[in-house]
Amino acid sequence: GIQVEQSPPDLILQEGANSTLRCNFSDSVNNLQWFHQNPWGQLINLFYIPSGTKQNGRLSATTVATERYSLLYISSSQTTDSGVYFCAVDRAGNNRKLIWGLGTSLAVNP
Amino acid sequence: EPEVTQTPSHQVTQMGQEVILRCVPISNHLYFYWYRQILGQKVEFLVSFYNNEISEKSEIFDDQFSVERPDGSNFTLKIRSTKLEDSAMYFCASGWSLGYGYTFGSGTRLTVV
Repeated sequence: GIQVEQSPPDLILQEGANSTLRCNFSDSVNNLQWFHQNPWGQLINLFYIPSGTKQNGRLSATTVATERYSLLYISSSQTTDSGVYFCAVDRAGNNRKLIWGLGTSLAVNP
Repeated sequence: EPEVTQTPSHQVTQMGQEVILRCVPISNHLYFYWYRQILGQKVEFLVSFYNNEISEKSEIFDDQFSVERPDGSNFTLKIRSTKLEDSAMYFCASGWSLGYGYTFGSGTRLTVV
């Protein structure tokens, strides 16, 4: 099955810093999504991005499907950005369940 | 932007009790999913549901689990006799078409004591 690897596993930033999170996947995918899990465990939808680039405020994401990776950029980080960032991909098939990476744990210090 | 709503946000139950986790998917969506995340672990697929029936289930989704769409708007996950190891975050998701992205609810934290 598809493997999803995220890097780095942990990241500590000072408020205001920028960061790039990476997601590699081992096979062609039809769907790729990024999520933020806040410290209370709630999941927040960030991007649906099987290819190309999208931006939403201080966050942007780029997926290069032909090279099997996606990047999530966080600019001018804030303490509220802390949590775990997950990448998940959609396997080919009828039911399209998402296969998840282990996440990048981000701590933004004031 | 439309949201998937899950209730309750946190439920504590005694081992052996039945629990029902509730989800209101986005209204025009046709595909429904439950995932779970044991503390500190990966998010895992439990079950997918389409056209009023289960389309796929994982090994985790044994006879203790069931799903239902009772009234065309709610989507529920029932655990018949909870075990300690069922303690986890449970996430509901929905999508209007395969492969076009799924919207996740914020989750229900289930604690079995």
